[in-house]
Amino acid sequence: DGGITQSPKYLFRKEGQNVTLSCEQNLNHDAMYWYRQDPGQGLRLIYYSQIVNDFQKGDIAEGYSVSREKKESFPLTVTSAQKNPTAFYLCASRGLAGDGNEQFFGPGTRLTVL
Amino acid sequence: EDQVTQSPEALRLQEGESSSLNCSYTVSGLRGLFWYRQDPGKGPEFLFTLYSAGEEKEKERLKATLTKKESFLHITAPKPEDSATYLCAVGGTGFQKLVFGTGTRLLVSP
Repeated sequence: DGGITQSPKYLFRKEGQNVTLSCEQNLNHDAMYWYRQDPGQGLRLIYYSQIVNDFQKGDIAEGYSVSREKKESFPLTVTSAQKNPTAFYLCASRGLAGDGNEQFFGPGTRLTVL
Repeated sequence: EDQVTQSPEALRLQEGESSSLNCSYTVSGLRGLFWYRQDPGKGPEFLFTLYSAGEEKEKERLKATLTKKESFLHITAPKPEDSATYLCAVGGTGFQKLVFGTGTRLLVSP
């Protein structure tokens, strides 16, 4: 089945630790995105990538880092510089040329800072 | 700055009681308006894309419509399984980013 997988589903982090969230897709999509979702707020864009080895900052990139070494994978690292990392993190992907413009989402990772 | 406002924030319906959710937007150069459904603790599920004023799309009990300033998601004779948060988003020039509203939480009681 084609889709987007995120792991782990739940993640607990101690203050001062870096953690990496995994996102993999087998939809052959070119573009991938990371969003953060907090209660009462809309999804906010952290980083996005349109092509391998290239990515751009979104609206709230501070304290986060990403890499795009493979088309299928777009991991997100939450660094100790992110002051309020507790949130629900969503990865999405979108096809580019000739495909619809909608983004498809993974199941999410809930990160809690202890 | 692109903005999306959804109303109401929450809506409670009885099974079979039809209603509409609203999504108002301001965007410089609309490149699509998107509706998603999100269940608690899960990722959003894509429902519809609308591109131009007057366009309508339907799926089961849901019908989405678009004008130059807003979109409506009409729910006809809802069932309890339609309970979820419905998200609206707009794509601007280049489609690189979607701007999301805060959603409408729908609860349908039997």
